[in-house]
Amino acid sequence: EVQLLESGGGLVLPGGSLRLSCAASGLAFPTFGLHWVRQAPGKGLEWVSGISGSGSSTYYADSVKGRFTISRDNSRYTLYLQMNSLRAEDTAVYYCATYYGSGSFNSWGQGSLVTVSS
Amino acid sequence: QSVLTQPPSVSAAPGQKVTFSCSGSSSNIGNNYVAWYQQLPGTAPKLLIYENNKRLSGIPDRFSGSKSGTSATLGITGLQTGDEADYYCGAWDSSLSAWVFGGGTKLTVL
Repeated sequence: EVQLLESGGGLVLPGGSLRLSCAASGLAFPTFGLHWVRQAPGKGLEWVSGISGSGSSTYYADSVKGRFTISRDNSRYTLYLQMNSLRAEDTAVYYCATYYGSGSFNSWGQGSLVTVSS
Repeated sequence: QSVLTQPPSVSAAPGQKVTFSCSGSSSNIGNNYVAWYQQLPGTAPKLLIYENNKRLSGIPDRFSGSKSGTSATLGITGLQTGDEADYYCGAWDSSLSAWVFGGGTKLTVL
């Protein structure tokens, strides 16, 4: 069974930084693309960023481009999201998810709450 | 404002059938696969349907998906109270080079 466990969320001041981690188990980690999807309180899903299995290709939503950096450590089975220059509108639960192909995401973590507020 | 358009809510009685609509454009639904997700209250999303109409392993055949042109539909038959959740459609958008979702539809089982 695939398990994804996010960590690193919390309260941060506007303009601050935070790094999320997603520890994976139960899958051939290096073969899977991985993504971050967020959900603001009471709102819908928003795709944030993705990375290929090898880490050679990365993808970002326009809303976070230049501020967020996705990376992975295939030896540690861990996905990361470095978030800089955080804004109030980045407040959300951040989920990591495995890419199933054809535009879909099949395994999701439980989420990590990031709150950007003064 | 979400790229894919979904009605905010739908309701139906137990045992009945309900459908969820998802409208997009040629850059997303029209030329790419659609997926559907169920999000029960307080939990992470769960993939139900991928590639327009394929059920993920373990998803009951009460759930079905279809696509026509730039719109997609999720159907649930034999509604149960446990089906109360938010349902999201999603797809790759070739113009935006981004994965996009609908705003979600909240299902109430009366």
